[in-house]
Amino acid sequence: AQKITQTQPGMFVQEKEAVTLDCTYDTSDPSYGLFWYKQPSSGEMIFLIYQGSYDQQNATEGRYSLNFQKARKSANLVISASQLGDSAMYFCAMREGQTGANNLFFGTGTRLTVIP
Amino acid sequence: ETGVTQTPRHLVMGMTNKKSLKCEQHLGHNAMYWYKQSAKKPLELMFVYNFKEQTENNSVPSRFSPECPNSSHLFLHLHTLQPEDSALYLCASSPRGSGRGGTDTQYFGPGTRLTVL
Repeated sequence: AQKITQTQPGMFVQEKEAVTLDCTYDTSDPSYGLFWYKQPSSGEMIFLIYQGSYDQQNATEGRYSLNFQKARKSANLVISASQLGDSAMYFCAMREGQTGANNLFFGTGTRLTVIP
Repeated sequence: ETGVTQTPRHLVMGMTNKKSLKCEQHLGHNAMYWYKQSAKKPLELMFVYNFKEQTENNSVPSRFSPECPNSSHLFLHLHTLQPEDSALYLCASSPRGSGRGGTDTQYFGPGTRLTVL
């Protein structure tokens, strides 16, 4: 079974609007971490935001926030006030904590296009 | 020089060639990783090194041979590759690479776009 599922292959958003990118995960490990990365056309994966499974509050980093719903096993990324430079692929990833290893499991990504 | 760098950025090679990809991190991290990114597929972890020791080999064919001489440098030696090995190869590093809990965020380089003819 897929550990990370991103069901939106592509999304469009008007500049200055907010957009939500979906991510659901599957794990039986009570300790895990969730990450979002941005990959522009240049190829580099840029770390955006992290949410730990025991964190009480949703993570926020500037215009990025993570809508963490533990019971639903979802970790959606919300980008507020979209900018043209936000156009990129976005990947959700998970690290399971109990094994002690730092293997990241990635989803297939969502391509976001910001429209002027 | 900051972050994680990779060279070359683009590489075209024949199936009989031998080439190497290089990764260098300037973040003082202790763990380094190789990932393969093929079209329409999730990133695939290939190898993990912790304090220069290989801790993960994700069933990677032997035509890919990693080398980690120190915590700052990671190589991927390539020989007798197949056309299906064409992909973006990403290197990443993280502070510790193992241990329970914690963020231990991985930071990526820009990748090497490999084409095997």
